[in-house]
Amino acid sequence: GAVVSQHPSRVICKSGTSVKIECRSLDFQATTMFWYRQFPKQSLMLMATSNEGSKATYEQGVEKDKFLINHASLTLSTLTVTSAHPEDSSFYICSARASSSSYNEQFFGPGTRLTVL
Amino acid sequence: GDSVTQMEGPVTLSEEAFLTINCTYTATGYPSLFWYVQYPGEGLQLLLKATKADDKGSNKGFEATYRKETTSFHLEKGSVQVSDSAVYFCALSDHQAGTALIFGKGTTLSVSS
Repeated sequence: GAVVSQHPSRVICKSGTSVKIECRSLDFQATTMFWYRQFPKQSLMLMATSNEGSKATYEQGVEKDKFLINHASLTLSTLTVTSAHPEDSSFYICSARASSSSYNEQFFGPGTRLTVL
Repeated sequence: GDSVTQMEGPVTLSEEAFLTINCTYTATGYPSLFWYVQYPGEGLQLLLKATKADDKGSNKGFEATYRKETTSFHLEKGSVQVSDSAVYFCALSDHQAGTALIFGKGTTLSVSS
């Protein structure tokens, strides 16, 4: 099956620093990638939709200047949490939709645990 | 807008018990339906899917049937194992390319031996 990787899997940073999370589709091309945030014992909250070669579309309430998304190629999207604060601590998950998919199936990365001290 | 409603957990069962996790949806069109599983500390894995009415998705002993008349996609397993302990998410997707999945809130399953 299709594989999506995320790097790093876990990161701890100091308040005020920026953190970059990579999401890669390893064996397929992904026109669209999605970034989700998951709080403990809660469902996934869609943050933004990232289309290759264009600006990301952010969900209401998500600060685009704080959560920078770049989708520079068909296999890579990055999420940068700028000037991170403790309230940004969360589990960030990406998913990728295969360009060839006929029914919008998405494949999820293993997630990145961000802890801001 | 489209939405997914799952039964609230946690669901606590003994090994070999029968499992049902209810899921109903609201959608304007004819979405595809999915069940994802999340093991502790991990991301989501697709468990099974159904893309049209009356389709039955199945995997690892789990089954779910797409019921258009009741707008439901209940997850079932005849005999659960301790290793099935996880959080289960029901989700839908419309057929428009590029749209995100809509998830239910998740149901935590705990199976004891």
